[in-house]
Amino acid sequence: QVQLQASGPRLVKPSETLSLTCSVLGGSIRGYYWSWIRQPPGKGLEWIGNVHDTGSTKVNPSLKSRFTISIDTSTNQFSLKVTSVTAADTALYYCAGGYASNWPLDYWGQGTRVTVSS
Amino acid sequence: DIVMTQSPDSLAVSLGERATINCKSSQSVLNSANNRNYLAWYQQRPGQPPKLLIYWASTRESGVPDRFSGSGSGTDFTLTISSLQAEDVAVYYCQQYDNAPQTFGQGTRLEIK
Repeated sequence: QVQLQASGPRLVKPSETLSLTCSVLGGSIRGYYWSWIRQPPGKGLEWIGNVHDTGSTKVNPSLKSRFTISIDTSTNQFSLKVTSVTAADTALYYCAGGYASNWPLDYWGQGTRVTVSS
Repeated sequence: DIVMTQSPDSLAVSLGERATINCKSSQSVLNSANNRNYLAWYQQRPGQPPKLLIYWASTRESGVPDRFSGSGSGTDFTLTISSLQAEDVAVYYCQQYDNAPQTFGQGTRLEIK
């Protein structure tokens, strides 16, 4: 049974770069599409983007160019980098997985809470 | 982007009664090539990540109780819980995965009356 475990800093200062990693446990990272989703406090879900083991990525255009998703098949991990963070990036960040890019998300990690504050 | 709009925003239902949540997409998520609706429903219990309940608009995920059912096609969809149980208290989200970016509804909070 595949499990996802996100890790990263809980507190980031404004204008700095946030880096999060998701470890795929109990299975191979290959063959699936791996997504990042975030949920601001008390709000709904926003799909950030996804990555495939080929390195192909899609990022939500509304988030512009600050978000980068990458994958490392040798460590069974995929990552999210957010540059120039602001308070609006404060959220619970989830990693998730689906069989294809246009497929429901059937694997979810517990999420990691990130606060942007000086 | 495809906008997903759920109704109502919140709902209180008595134990054992039926709960119905609606979801409308701003454009059709029915793929004419395979006749599939690219629409999923998720349940998010307090303090938990979302859990996939229904996909292709009406297919239950393995292990999901059969009191949960999904229906609809094109732009209008419904999640029905036939007999509400205490453990069904959660926020429910619809999601379209037809076009990138995948988008979610704003969520419907379901409580016990």
